[in-house]
Order: sequence, then structure tokens, then C-alpha cells
Amino acid sequence: GQQLNQSPQSMFIQEGEDVSMNCTSSSIFNTWLWYKQDPGEGPVLLIALYKAGELTSNGRLTAQFGITRKDSFLNISASIPSDVGIYFCAGRRSQGNLIFGKGTKLSVKP
Amino acid sequence: KAGVTQTPRYLIKTRGQQVTLSCSPISGHRSVSWYQQTPGQGLQFLFEYFSETQRNKGNFPGRFSGRQFSNSRSEMNVSTLELGDSALYLCASGRDRVNTGELFFGEGSRLTVL
Repeated sequence: GQQLNQSPQSMFIQEGEDVSMNCTSSSIFNTWLWYKQDPGEGPVLLIALYKAGELTSNGRLTAQFGITRKDSFLNISASIPSDVGIYFCAGRRSQGNLIFGKGTKLSVKP
Repeated sequence: KAGVTQTPRYLIKTRGQQVTLSCSPISGHRSVSWYQQTPGQGLQFLFEYFSETQRNKGNFPGRFSGRQFSNSRSEMNVSTLELGDSALYLCASGRDRVNTGELFFGEGSRLTVL
């Protein structure tokens, strides 16, 4: 099925670093959401965005709904070890189901 | 408040068998969605139910079916299992009448088909 282009696929973080990831699509979405999944768990909603251009924060996390409605960005500031996990973007059109990106895996630098 | 509960957590089946997975949404939530998660395809939408009615359906073959009961609990069934059906099946409930995309996921049922 159709999926969003999420990048990067994986990244290593060092405690204290800022992290950025993004999601793009060839189609317009009415809603963009970001979820995080820890091993053995289901995804957990981090941030939901409903308007083009919207910038929303949740603690150290900030996400933006792209002005073209075809992309979204997630930033994590001053990363900590518990930020490790897989981050998924998801887009939704009106009356439609969620379409998920393939995820960005955050790991700690050895 | 209890979260979304999925049973069983793990199961092993052989090709040709069928399987039924169960999901109890968060109390008060009337919307239930099912997703299949695999390393290759990621999270793929199966179906969504609201008040016992299927509201949306993904692009899966007819071997995949589901239903929702009057207490909002949901089941999904996969018949004539194939090796490629091995996956983590996630159930998610929603609190809003309109599907906002804000979902609360269970821990999943991990199905292995041998």
C-alpha cells in the first residue's frame, strides 16, 4: 500500500544532541501525526498537527505541519537515552485511515 | 485507566490454519483499528470499526476479516494462513467519533506462521 517517505531510516545520537527527521509525500494530508514505538510495545502518539504551517511542541519535541501539506518535520532537542526507539510519521486525509512512514530508528552512539 | 488489551500476545500457527485475535479498547472508546506491522512493509492498515460498523478497509485479501461487538471489543480473523502473514498485529482505539488519527495502540499480537 501507499506509504510516506520518512528519513533518515536510522540515526545514532549522543546524549545532549538535537535530532531532526522528516516525512514527505506526493499527496496532500489534512493531518500529520508522530508516534514513537519502543521494543515490545505499540506506537505511542507524540504530537498531532491539524493545520498547514502549524508548529506544535510537546516537551523537548517540536513538530511542524509543512505549508504545502505534503510534509512534516520532527525535532528532538537535547536528546536523552530514553529517546531511543522508532519514530513513525503518519498522515491522514479526510475520512481516511492513517498512512504510516517506515520509521526512523534512533540508537545511542557507541 | 486500562490501556488497549490484545490477546493472545504470541501465537504460532501452521500454514492453512486460521487464527482469531482479540482486542479490548480503552473504556469509553468506540473506534477500533487494526494494523499489520512487518519489517519489510511497516505498518499497514487492515480495517477500522466504529459502533459495530466497518468504517474503513485496507488493501488486504478477503482472508482477513474483522468485527466489532456492542461493547466495542473487536476481533480479527485470518483464514488459510500463509507464511507471509507472520507479523505483529496491532489494535488501536480512538476516543473521537470522527477519526482524528489520534490512536491508542495495544502491545500487539505476534503471529508466527510455520
